[in-house]
Amino acid sequence: DIQMTQSPSSLSASVGDRVTITCRASQSINSYLNWYQQKPGKAPKVLIYAASSLQSGVPSRFRGSGSGTEFTLTISSLQPEDFATYFCQQSSSSPRTFGGGTKVEIK
Amino acid sequence: QVQLQESGPGLVKPSGTLSLTCDVSGGSMISTNWWSWIRQPPGKGLEWIGDIFYTEITNYNPSLKSRLTISLDKSQNQFSLELSSVTDADTAVYYCARNRFGSASYRWFDTWGQGTLVTVSS
Repeated sequence: DIQMTQSPSSLSASVGDRVTITCRASQSINSYLNWYQQKPGKAPKVLIYAASSLQSGVPSRFRGSGSGTEFTLTISSLQPEDFATYFCQQSSSSPRTFGGGTKVEIK
Repeated sequence: QVQLQESGPGLVKPSGTLSLTCDVSGGSMISTNWWSWIRQPPGKGLEWIGDIFYTEITNYNPSLKSRLTISLDKSQNQFSLELSSVTDADTAVYYCARNRFGSASYRWFDTWGQGTLVTVSS
């Protein structure tokens, strides 16, 4: 199985901050990497697919980059509605696997 | 716009079988997409369970394969999950999702049900 490791596991930030979350794969997954946002009690919502493609309807302050084994999700200017947990997920091979999550909290 | 809705018992006894159904509305299951089950134990991360295609081809997580059956009913536009011999480790919120198929074989879970909590307890 491909292991997905996210860092940090949590962070505190203020509205307007630039936030970067990293996801590393245990082997190359090319660009087969997706990012999801999950709020408490809700289902995850896709933000970025294929490493850098913005899902329709998602604000442009979310940006995904990377390929191979290292990927980043950047939120350019954190908004109040962005406080949530973020997960990466690889779709390169089966079984599909997720990172452990990064919880973004209010500073 | 496709919407998904899980249904099924919220409580299952240990060693019993967990059975859930996902109703698909707003679109047909007959497409290039796969239909998936994903679970999340309380306070923990996400685990992909398995997928099914409209031709009934399945793809299971090897860690669950021996206990797992995913099936579909095209006439009812729904797909189902059965997980046998459950233990408390199977307690989780279970989500159904559409595994969107894009160009260059990119895939992502673009539509999710609201999730249903299944507790394994006597």
